[in-house]
Amino acid sequence: NAGVTQTPKFQVLKTGQSMTLQCAQDMNHNSMYWYRQDPGMGLRLIYYSASEGTTDKGEVPNGYNVSRLNKREFSLRLESAAPSQTSVYFCASSAGTGEGIYEQYFGPGTRLTVT
Amino acid sequence: DAKTTQPNSMESNEEEPVHLPCNHSTISGTDYIHWYRQLPSQGPEYVIHGLTSNVNNRMASLAIAEDRKSSTLILHRATLRDAAVYYCILLLWFSGGYNKLIFGAGTRLAVHP
Repeated sequence: NAGVTQTPKFQVLKTGQSMTLQCAQDMNHNSMYWYRQDPGMGLRLIYYSASEGTTDKGEVPNGYNVSRLNKREFSLRLESAAPSQTSVYFCASSAGTGEGIYEQYFGPGTRLTVT
Repeated sequence: DAKTTQPNSMESNEEEPVHLPCNHSTISGTDYIHWYRQLPSQGPEYVIHGLTSNVNNRMASLAIAEDRKSSTLILHRATLRDAAVYYCILLLWFSGGYNKLIFGAGTRLAVHP
């Protein structure tokens, strides 16, 4: 199993450009998450999808959109990139079937720089 | 959301035990205590979680105070690979399987040979 995979690993954008970060998991998990991590800080939740077909905002959703394409894939789109979106982006997934505590599995991250 | 307080950094020598403290004085009765760690240039990985009782797994032990206002992650024999940022997180679960993790700045653990 590959676990959680993310593409690309690195990306440099100019202000105003758009791009989509891709995430896929092969663990048949229901819930998926997008986080960002700024230097020296912990992760902050951008969006999450508790199940296929649903998405909800996290702590810092402004400037982002998401799509839960199917159970495996959850993409994050920056429509008009800004320097403040320079960060490392992590995707995660968890089994999440019903009430309970579910370990989150994280991908390796995408390092994004906006100039 | 209930908050946690951790030291910014700690140091240890290889093969010695490490006790990483976490204060969570505003914890509620339904908050689970989770620990994740982040190795350099990697995504976080789950370490352990508990509610009231002490917990052990292959990676670590979690000791929870009787009043649940603090907890300690114990690495029994630190290795160089344990050098990471350790996050103590109070996790509130919601029905439908969505677990909301709120990461703080964590404790950066350095392990010396």
